[in-house]
Amino acid sequence: GNSVTQMEGPVTLSEEAFLTINCTYTATGYPSLFWYVQYPGEGLQLLLKATKADDKGSNKGFEATYRKETTSFHLEKGSVQVSDSAVYFCALSSNSGGSNYKLTFGKGTLLTVNP
Amino acid sequence: DAMVIQNPRYQVTQFGKPVTLSCSQTLNHNVMYWYQQKSSQAPKLLFHYYDKDFNNEADTPDNFQSRRPNTSFCFLDIRSPGLGDAAMYLCATSVRLGQETQYFGPGTRLLVL
Repeated sequence: GNSVTQMEGPVTLSEEAFLTINCTYTATGYPSLFWYVQYPGEGLQLLLKATKADDKGSNKGFEATYRKETTSFHLEKGSVQVSDSAVYFCALSSNSGGSNYKLTFGKGTLLTVNP
Repeated sequence: DAMVIQNPRYQVTQFGKPVTLSCSQTLNHNVMYWYQQKSSQAPKLLFHYYDKDFNNEADTPDNFQSRRPNTSFCFLDIRSPGLGDAAMYLCATSVRLGQETQYFGPGTRLLVL
């Protein structure tokens, strides 16, 4: 079945530090890949997505590249801000099988950015 | 702005007392989903509607039901809430099934006393 593994948190950084949150996946077919962000007490917001190999998703200074050869979709940002403090979820949606509507989520990574 | 709206944001109920959570959307999407998210965990899909077609996940307890009276609204009914049902409940929508982006509402946090 499909699965997503993302780095365990929590991750604590100082403002303006470089961020990487690793995400690898196992899926049949050719999945679409997503990063969602959840701010405290809120629902999930789509941060970025990529639908095919070598696509790069980007938004608000965050980037992630769909790497089929390494089955990875690592999230990066060059300079984090305090306002980036949130939980980040990597997710996939597969195009094969009877459950192609389902988002498979990683466990989430809590990021705290200190001033 | 087009959006997914959930009311209320916080809901307190008593053990065993039926409760209904609501979701509405102005996106005119065909698919609506309900997720349960417990503390420090990933969201877990309970069920979804594709238009009027209801699809229950195999491991969703019978205690959870859903209604979708029209395209815009979807309700989650918990018939007899237990302490273990305390969680954040997230509604999401997508244009169609498949590898579509899902758009989430802000969630309703349910507390069971």
